[in-house]
Amino acid sequence: DAKTTQPNSMESNEEEPVHLPCNHSTISGTDYIHWYRQLPSQGPEYVIHGLTSNVNNRMASLAIAEDRKSSTLILHRATLRDAAVYYCILRTSYDKVIFGPGTSLSVIP
Amino acid sequence: GAVVSQHPSRVICKSGTSVKIECRSLDFQATTMFWYRQFPKQSLMLMATSNEGSKATYEQGVEKDKFLINHASLTLSTLTVTSAHPEDSSFYICSAPEPGSRGEQFFGPGTRLTVL
Repeated sequence: DAKTTQPNSMESNEEEPVHLPCNHSTISGTDYIHWYRQLPSQGPEYVIHGLTSNVNNRMASLAIAEDRKSSTLILHRATLRDAAVYYCILRTSYDKVIFGPGTSLSVIP
Repeated sequence: GAVVSQHPSRVICKSGTSVKIECRSLDFQATTMFWYRQFPKQSLMLMATSNEGSKATYEQGVEKDKFLINHASLTLSTLTVTSAHPEDSSFYICSAPEPGSRGEQFFGPGTRLTVL
């Protein structure tokens, strides 16, 4: 299975942008890049996904490198409620979601 | 987005008893659901794939006789932890892909199991 690599933890100041990196050098042509996040004591929550082009939604933006070997999740203005573990995952359609360790994001007031 | 619910949200039981956890897709049908387990400060670990109308597929190292999965309908999967022991205490989470959503997974809120 193609794997992803993320920093264990990151910090951000409240109301500043946050760039969460993810490396996936073994990505295949059919793998979608998905991001989920998990707030404490809750189930994971879908954030965004993309294939080749950059994507925007109400929660975040996803910037995908041209060679697709890396991507960056962008939170435009971090709030305290964005403190969570963020998971970058490669998926092909409806197959199972395998979680790595993710990045624990702390937001400083 | 689609909603997946779990019941109960929290359960405490005595060692040796069995506990059933329900996972429901509330506004869509799910022929496949997934069950995860999460220990404190760790990531989610996939336990099994629940298939409507057929047997569940278990990940390596997960005891199928210990964790019974039944996918009774297109909106309900159940996980039964049989003869629970303290080491089974964990956060159990289910998920389901929404058909036609290009692979988005929707997760339940989780069930906190504590075995005394």
